[in-house]
Amino acid sequence: GAGVSQSPRYKVAKRGQDVALRCDPISGHVSLFWYQQALGQGPEFLTYFQNEAQLDKSGLPSDRFFAERPEGSVSTLKIQRTQQEDSAVYLCASSFGGGLYEQYFGPGTRLTVT
Amino acid sequence: AQSVTQPDIHITVSEGASLELRCNYSYGATPYLFWYVQSPGQGLQLLLKYFSGDTLVQGIKGFEAEFKRSQSSFNLRKPSVHWSDAAEYFCAVTNAGNNRKLIWGLGTSLAVNP
Repeated sequence: GAGVSQSPRYKVAKRGQDVALRCDPISGHVSLFWYQQALGQGPEFLTYFQNEAQLDKSGLPSDRFFAERPEGSVSTLKIQRTQQEDSAVYLCASSFGGGLYEQYFGPGTRLTVT
Repeated sequence: AQSVTQPDIHITVSEGASLELRCNYSYGATPYLFWYVQSPGQGLQLLLKYFSGDTLVQGIKGFEAEFKRSQSSFNLRKPSVHWSDAAEYFCAVTNAGNNRKLIWGLGTSLAVNP
């Protein structure tokens, strides 16, 4: 069956450019998470959606980061005016419910800001 | 503050040898604990999880982990390592709140010698 997909898989942006990263969760999954994983580090939580509602955005590093999930399915993470410190792998995960269900991860988008 | 510590950054074992990866957590509430594996170019995959009940949990690929509340530990074990187990291993913890965001350790990189 289809898993979580993310696009693009790789993105190179010049400093100051805006980028948009897409996540297609597993069909029917209510919960969607975004994580940021810097090189050699563990993932760090960015934000969480339950259906279309963004219930927690406490991990977004600055107001340049914005996420949406308007129809409760596909989600987009947008980074405005990218900086070099934004270079990382951005991971999306989805789970069946808001409870203690397993989070299924996509392959990630590797963002490099030059 | 909530945190997860994986004391070993890198471990090398011989194929067929036993393996133990350490994980310690600091968490005020009842912890829900996970081990994930990340292979190059692949998404994070759940190996096993502990929510409650039996403190020895079995996972996929022959892995098991033991929850020890007195030591705040959740160490991952495998009796006989295969070359295909070479990967990055992450321990993570979450809470019983609504968002279920995962807090991650920095990971342990496992190399397997033939």
